[in-house]
Amino acid sequence: QPVLTQPPSSSASPGESARLTCTLPSDINVASYNIYWYQQKPGSPPRYLLYYYSVSDKGQGSGVPSRFSGSKDTSANTAILLISGLQSEDEADYYCMIWPSNASGVFGGGTKLTVL
Amino acid sequence: QITLKESGPTLVKPTQTLTLTCTFSGFSLSTSGVGVGWIRQPPGKALDWLAFIYWDDDKRYSPSLRNRLTITKDTSKNQVVLTMTNVDPVDTATYFCAHSSVVVTWSLDYWGQGTLVTVSS
Repeated sequence: QPVLTQPPSSSASPGESARLTCTLPSDINVASYNIYWYQQKPGSPPRYLLYYYSVSDKGQGSGVPSRFSGSKDTSANTAILLISGLQSEDEADYYCMIWPSNASGVFGGGTKLTVL
Repeated sequence: QITLKESGPTLVKPTQTLTLTCTFSGFSLSTSGVGVGWIRQPPGKALDWLAFIYWDDDKRYSPSLRNRLTITKDTSKNQVVLTMTNVDPVDTATYFCAHSSVVVTWSLDYWGQGTLVTVSS
């Protein structure tokens, strides 16, 4: 079962951008997978934000603002969630997930985002 | 409108079998391209993908828990049941069920509120 590595914490000020990363192990090519991102606030279930495969293959969750976007840095084998125009309500835990075909899904360890 | 709700015991003793039920509405598990998954979250820890069942009864399990988990569906009752055998205190967690479909590229787009299960003697 692959391990998706997320920094435990990140912080940014309101109005700035937050760049959250999800690094895949070297034997799993980030370019080959849909990367799903979820937001979770205390006491609530996760909320689906978006998936990203490529520039031409991506999708936004229902009602999710466009300031949440995904991308990949294939040179670093890393998926990225970019939150622009940060708002206080964006303070939450963020999880990445992959789900290879004919296999089980796996979540990253999550990043706690603090809006300063 | 899709909704899901988890139910089951709040307290289970070590070595017992845990049975959780996900009751849903707003979709049918007999519809092609639909599925329901189970995910858990120990207190203060990360999400942990457990199992998934597709409309055609195909199933996926977490490799680390495969030997202890069984997922089944009852289409007529709009329910998905997860059974976990030989529970241990480390299985203490909030257990969530979630909807997925090919329409949303198999994202987990709707979640139940979760049910907290404590494993303790």
